[in-house]
Amino acid sequence: AQSVTQLDSQVPVFEEAPVELRCNYSSSVSVYLFWYVQYPNQGLQLLLKYLSGSTLVKGINGFEAEFNKSQTSFHLRKPSVHISDTAEYFCAVRFSGGYNKLIFGAGTRLAVHP
Amino acid sequence: KAGVTQTPRYLIKTRGQQVTLSCSPISGHRSVSWYQQTPGQGLQFLFEYFSETQRNKGNFPGRFSGRQFSNSRSEMNVSTLELGDSALYLCASSWTGSTTGNEQFFGPGTRLTVL
Repeated sequence: AQSVTQLDSQVPVFEEAPVELRCNYSSSVSVYLFWYVQYPNQGLQLLLKYLSGSTLVKGINGFEAEFNKSQTSFHLRKPSVHISDTAEYFCAVRFSGGYNKLIFGAGTRLAVHP
Repeated sequence: KAGVTQTPRYLIKTRGQQVTLSCSPISGHRSVSWYQQTPGQGLQFLFEYFSETQRNKGNFPGRFSGRQFSNSRSEMNVSTLELGDSALYLCASSWTGSTTGNEQFFGPGTRLTVL
């Protein structure tokens, strides 16, 4: 079965510290990977995506992620977080042949403290 | 370019009623997908429409239905509302119907509360 697992439901971190949000997926077919951010009472905003090519992808707001096919992971990282990064982060996977259907992880709540 | 718009933004209904939510995709986008977001189940795919045809459907009961018009605008309908249908309903639009990883743009959602 195809699934997405976000290993941490909550991640507290101090401002200017680095952070990593973990995401693993399970699939027997090719995948396309995405990270979205959701601020309170808003929709989802795309942070970055991996479609093919370089396994290290850079996104908006200083975020980056690395696709690791052997470990079926797509962890999100930022070297120095800001208070404004406090939000819910979702890892999502589109499976080859699935058209635009996204399978989402349960989300990770990032709380940045001063 | 205007983003994805969803109307209404908030809705309160009672059990047994039906509701229709609307989504206007970004101009030129032909694919519209719908998702339900709840604290317990997270984000779940409802269905996708492309060129007025439903081509993908999630695991939801038949009370949930949708359609797409020739201008790509989409509506979803939930009949015989249950308390568990209370959720944020998100719409996402994409330019093409390709099976590769096209970026989807999400609207702000419609918050449905069923009393």
